[in-house]
Amino acid sequence: DGGITQSPKYLFRKEGQNVTLSCEQNLNHDAMYWYRQDPGQGLRLIYYSQIVNDFQKGDIAEGYSVSREKKESFPLTVTSAQKNPTAFYLCASSKHSMGGTTSNQPQHFGDGTRLSIL
Amino acid sequence: SQKIEQNSEALNIQEGKTATLTCNYTNYSPAYLQWYRQDPGRGPVFLLLIRENEKEKRKERLKVTFDTTLKQSLFHITASQPADSATYLCALLIKAAGNKLTFGGGTRVLVKP
Repeated sequence: DGGITQSPKYLFRKEGQNVTLSCEQNLNHDAMYWYRQDPGQGLRLIYYSQIVNDFQKGDIAEGYSVSREKKESFPLTVTSAQKNPTAFYLCASSKHSMGGTTSNQPQHFGDGTRLSIL
Repeated sequence: SQKIEQNSEALNIQEGKTATLTCNYTNYSPAYLQWYRQDPGRGPVFLLLIRENEKEKRKERLKVTFDTTLKQSLFHITASQPADSATYLCALLIKAAGNKLTFGGGTRVLVKP
């Protein structure tokens, strides 16, 4: 079955530590996204990538970094500069529409990684 | 900036009744509006997409309306079942905001047998 796999499901970060969240998709989608979800709030976009080796900052990119070396993979690193990292992190992907943009395509989500501070 | 409001209070409804959720937005007019379902501890799952020039969209027991004058979308679940219990998120794609999806905070629905 095609889908998006996020790992680990739970992750704990120590003070001053960088941690990397994994996101892999086998849907052959061009675009991938990282969102952060806090209790009672909507998803907020951290970073997105529409093509391999290219990515753009979302609304809350500070304290995070990403890479897109392969079409299937879009890992997110939560750096020590992110002072409030405790949240539920969701990865998503979508395919290009006929016009070459992803604007009207639904997003397919993984089941998230819950990050907490030790 | 764009603001999207969904009722933060949970909607409790009796099995068999119709659940109606609202999604209100301000400022820019979206090109598309999407609805997702999210179960606890899981990622959202896409349900329906409606375009700015469409008034209504249906899929099985689900119906979405889109009123660009009122800046509002309504999401209906007819003949609701306990299995429909989940949080429902609306998401707007605004061309003026770089073609990115902006999500509302979601409304939790609890269908009682």
